Amino acid sequence: EDQVTQSPEALRLQEGESSSLNCSYTVSGLRGLFWYRQDPGKGPEFLFTLYSAGEEKEKERLKATLTKKESFLHITAPKPEDSATYLCAVSGGSNYKLTFGKGTLLTVNP
Amino acid sequence: KAGVTQTPRYLIKTRGQQVTLSCSPISGHRSVSWYQQTPGQGLQFLFEYFSETQRNKGNFPGRFSGRQFSNSRSEMNVSTLELGDSALYLCASSLGKEGETQYFGPGTRLLVL
Repeated sequence: EDQVTQSPEALRLQEGESSSLNCSYTVSGLRGLFWYRQDPGKGPEFLFTLYSAGEEKEKERLKATLTKKESFLHITAPKPEDSATYLCAVSGGSNYKLTFGKGTLLTVNP
Repeated sequence: KAGVTQTPRYLIKTRGQQVTLSCSPISGHRSVSWYQQTPGQGLQFLFEYFSETQRNKGNFPGRFSGRQFSNSRSEMNVSTLELGDSALYLCASSLGKEGETQYFGPGTRLLVL
């Protein structure tokens, strides 16, 4: 059974203070690893898809990386508007579902 | 391109009633997946439809069912509602290939009293 563990559960940063979020996963035959951002009361917003170990993707202040066992979401010089819950999910094997972690609640103080 | 839309956005029901939620995918997407999100369990997969056929089902009781129409729009139904069914119900669409990115709608917030 696919499993995803995210850490930390919550992270509080000062504006400009860079950090990383972790996503550890167990999956049989990784098809894709996905990062989403979710604001309160809204649906998850797609950020990145990673397919193979060593792959990296960037978007503004965010950079996602992937190894065979985990993924990191690096946040460089965050701003208060980056405050949200960040969700990691995997798709594996021959099914079409996403298995999600519980998320990391990021708060960036001005 | 318009995103995934879900209706209604909010619902209040009482125990024992049934409810139907609707999802319209992104134009051209043929796969629709449904998820339940609660504070305790997080996001959990309900089922996935592609070309009107259910391809995957999660570990939910038979009270939860769904269907997909020829235009790829999907509905999910929950019968005999229980208090524990209170949640944010999210649908996501994709082109339908393995490992493809799923794009989520805004969700339907269901409160069961």
